[in-house]
Amino acid sequence: KQEVTQIPAALSVPEGENLVLNCSFTDSAIYNLQWFRQDPGKGLTSLLLIQSSQREQTSGRLNASLDKSSGRSTLYIAASQPGDSATYLCAVSLWGYGGSQGNLIFGKGTKLSVKP
Amino acid sequence: GAVVSQHPSWVICKSGTSVKIECRSLDFQATTMFWYRQFPKQSLMLMATSNEGSKATYEQGVEKDKFLINHASLTLSTLTVTSAHPEDSSFYICSAPTSGRAVETQYFGPGTRLLVL
Repeated sequence: KQEVTQIPAALSVPEGENLVLNCSFTDSAIYNLQWFRQDPGKGLTSLLLIQSSQREQTSGRLNASLDKSSGRSTLYIAASQPGDSATYLCAVSLWGYGGSQGNLIFGKGTKLSVKP
Repeated sequence: GAVVSQHPSWVICKSGTSVKIECRSLDFQATTMFWYRQFPKQSLMLMATSNEGSKATYEQGVEKDKFLINHASLTLSTLTVTSAHPEDSSFYICSAPTSGRAVETQYFGPGTRLLVL
């Protein structure tokens, strides 16, 4: 059974600091891995999606890496800002169908707080 | 990007009543939608897969007679929590995968927070 773990559960950093969020999964046979951002009481915003054949993806100050063989992914946030404060979720998809991905298995998330 | 809406965003109801939550894909068609539930400090857990024109498939431990799913059109899926009880209080969120794009992804609705008194 696939399990997704995120470390740390919570993180507080001063503004401007670079930081790394960690995600691990137990079954390396994934279709893709996705990082989301969730603001309090709200839905999810997709940040980065890494296909199983890829090693990393970048978007602005965000960089996500994937090491499928070791079952790990990291989300690197450069020059953090107070607006980055949110819960960051890692999720893996085990299969795709008809060209689209199937359901996602989520970690519990890392709650990030960036202090001004 | 693609947009998925949910209605209502908040609902408070008495124990024993039924609550219907709508999930709509606004600018694309979704033959499949997923319903997730998130309890406080827990991860999002898949409840069921909603299939347009056919029965939904439920995850282990989710009662299909309690959580009724109807996917009547390519843009609308509904989740009805029947005879809701306080333990059903949770954050319910739907998602819809897109297809035909270079990088398929899954778009999430804003979620519905249910409180059963």
